[in-house]
Amino acid sequence: SQQGEEDPQALSIQEGENATMNCSYKTSINNLQWYRQNSGRGLVHLILIRSNEREKHSGRLRVTLDTSKKSSSLLITASRAADTASYFCATDASFYDYKLSFGAGTTVTVRA
Amino acid sequence: DTGVSQNPRHKITKRGQNVTFRCDPISEHNRLYWYRQTLGQGPEFLTYFQNEAQLEKSRLLSDRFSAERPKGSFSTLEIQRTEQGDSAMYLCAGEPSEGSYEQYFGPGTRLTVT
Repeated sequence: SQQGEEDPQALSIQEGENATMNCSYKTSINNLQWYRQNSGRGLVHLILIRSNEREKHSGRLRVTLDTSKKSSSLLITASRAADTASYFCATDASFYDYKLSFGAGTTVTVRA
Repeated sequence: DTGVSQNPRHKITKRGQNVTFRCDPISEHNRLYWYRQTLGQGPEFLTYFQNEAQLEKSRLLSDRFSAERPKGSFSTLEIQRTEQGDSAMYLCAGEPSEGSYEQYFGPGTRLTVT
């Protein structure tokens, strides 16, 4: 069963706009990660945020984590056509539980 | 490029045949994971190895599935007596360093069972 749930399921934006997607999860976590997947390809690791962190930045990406609400958000600023992809959040449950549980993903389309 | 390679990239097989996939992580990946992804869904965990030891298997991994990681290097995933429901993308991931928890995925093997 999938632990995470992304919202929205699909998002269409104009190039240059910001894209925000959310992830909610059910049980306590050790870390939360975001991945990108271009159509039919493998997953690319974007960012990892630990359960004791609240916000993290990497280039045009900003991730927040609210463990009290069991939710995370991924913001992509100044989107580009190359950002068109599916985005997944993934959680690992504890310090010794390394496997990742993924949501169903948010499909982002950036229009030129 | 994550340094994780998978072969073959695509496999079409007839129902009832056996198939084997291979994953080659980089040498520093002491943990190696297998996931399965069906269309429109996120990946689902199948199994993982720490060096050569298989430490956890999902209930998704029926007795038709077997995975090995001899000598803690490359890994193979075999599916015996394939069924149409086995059609999926099979993804392998390595963890670059002890305690990093980040997993780096290969390009996947897409299996189609006809």
